[in-house]
Amino acid sequence: NAGVTQTPKFQVLKTGQSMTLQCAQDMNHNSMYWYRQDPGMGLRLIYYSASEGTTDKGEVPNGYNVSRLNKREFSLRLESAAPSQTSVYFCASSQGQNNSPLHFGNGTRLTVT
Amino acid sequence: AQTVTQSQPEMSVQEAETVTLSCTYDTSESDYYLFWYKQPPSRQMILVIRQEAYKQQNATENRFSVNFQKAAKSFSLKISDSQLGDAAMYFCASLASGTYKYIFGTGTRLKVLA
Repeated sequence: NAGVTQTPKFQVLKTGQSMTLQCAQDMNHNSMYWYRQDPGMGLRLIYYSASEGTTDKGEVPNGYNVSRLNKREFSLRLESAAPSQTSVYFCASSQGQNNSPLHFGNGTRLTVT
Repeated sequence: AQTVTQSQPEMSVQEAETVTLSCTYDTSESDYYLFWYKQPPSRQMILVIRQEAYKQQNATENRFSVNFQKAAKSFSLKISDSQLGDAAMYFCASLASGTYKYIFGTGTRLKVLA
């Protein structure tokens, strides 16, 4: 089972460039999430989609946009990358029921120079 | 707002010994869920154990168990018979019932000494 698949695994951007991080899950989960992980700060929620057709802001949404393309796919877009967006990005999914755990992709390491 | 605090940035344990990782949380919700995740050097986030706040019994998964103290808002993870493969970052997380925002702590790096 593939679970949650993120692409790309690594990316280097120059300040001002744009890119889209792709995420797909094959577990028929209702909810999907984007987190960023920075040293000493744990995982912080960027955006989430509780169900197909809905998206909501998390703790750190500025500079990002998302699209829930269908039930399987949830993309994260950086329109104009900044060095402060250098981070490791994780996509995750869950059933959406209360005690259902998050299932994570393998992460994307993004460097903005 | 929910917060999760892991006050130990780094811990070490001798192989085969027992170690406890601390986690405290703050929430005004009466119903919530708590999780521990492991992140080995491969970067993959792996669920270790979860606890429903309404359950008084502490969750156990093989060598991993929790000490859930609801009144103290404490949710520590005990790893027994530590193995080299347990070396990783460990994150504590909470989720208020009826919401979708899993809140994570800053993590504890566990080193296992041979």
